[in-house]
Amino acid sequence: DQQVKQNSPSLSVQEGRISILNCDYTNSMFDYFLWYKKYPAEGPTFLISISSIKDKNEDGRFTVFLNKSAKHLSLHIVPSQPGDSAVYFCAASGPLGGAQKLVFGQGTRLTINP
Amino acid sequence: EAQVTQNPRYLITVTGKKLTVTCSQNMNHEYMSWYRQDPGLGLRQIYYSMNVEVTDKGDVPEGYKVSRKEKRNFPLILESPSPNQTSLYFCASSPLGERGFSYNEQFFGPGTRLTVL
Repeated sequence: DQQVKQNSPSLSVQEGRISILNCDYTNSMFDYFLWYKKYPAEGPTFLISISSIKDKNEDGRFTVFLNKSAKHLSLHIVPSQPGDSAVYFCAASGPLGGAQKLVFGQGTRLTINP
Repeated sequence: EAQVTQNPRYLITVTGKKLTVTCSQNMNHEYMSWYRQDPGLGLRQIYYSMNVEVTDKGDVPEGYKVSRKEKRNFPLILESPSPNQTSLYFCASSPLGERGFSYNEQFFGPGTRLTVL
């Protein structure tokens, strides 16, 4: 049962345009969400996060939006650059079943075309 | 430099031959964890540890063992590897923090690509 879903395995965007990566979750107990970026032959690195008490968090070219009623979050990258080409993982955190859990999505491979 | 190291980075082995993948962090983090990454399944947690001598199962623990005898080290042991354990493995660490590990940035190692024939 996939509690965190990234339904687009891949996304291709033109350099300079906006990239939008989506993530859905099923459990309303998740209260903190994170995005990680992964380059080939490297481990994932933290990118940006958002608490459930907010609906938007911005850090430079990266903005994460959270829609709690829809159990949906998205990562916007504006403008997209070739160095943004990577796999992006969304993760959800919260108290589940009496224990803290951190659950990752399947990942979306973003390709930025020059 | 703050980092998580894993060894080996690549390993090809045969079914049933015991192996250990080492993980070490130099950030004095309490929390450490092992994940496997498989196509279409993302990162799935194998085992985690909240501190020395405290370990617990993640979502896919079958066929794996761990130990946490020192704070910095968290080895992953495959006693009798099978082909379905062919995967990309990541070790991660984080501080526990006030609210708990899952509200903190996880620091990942570079990964170990394991092939079991």
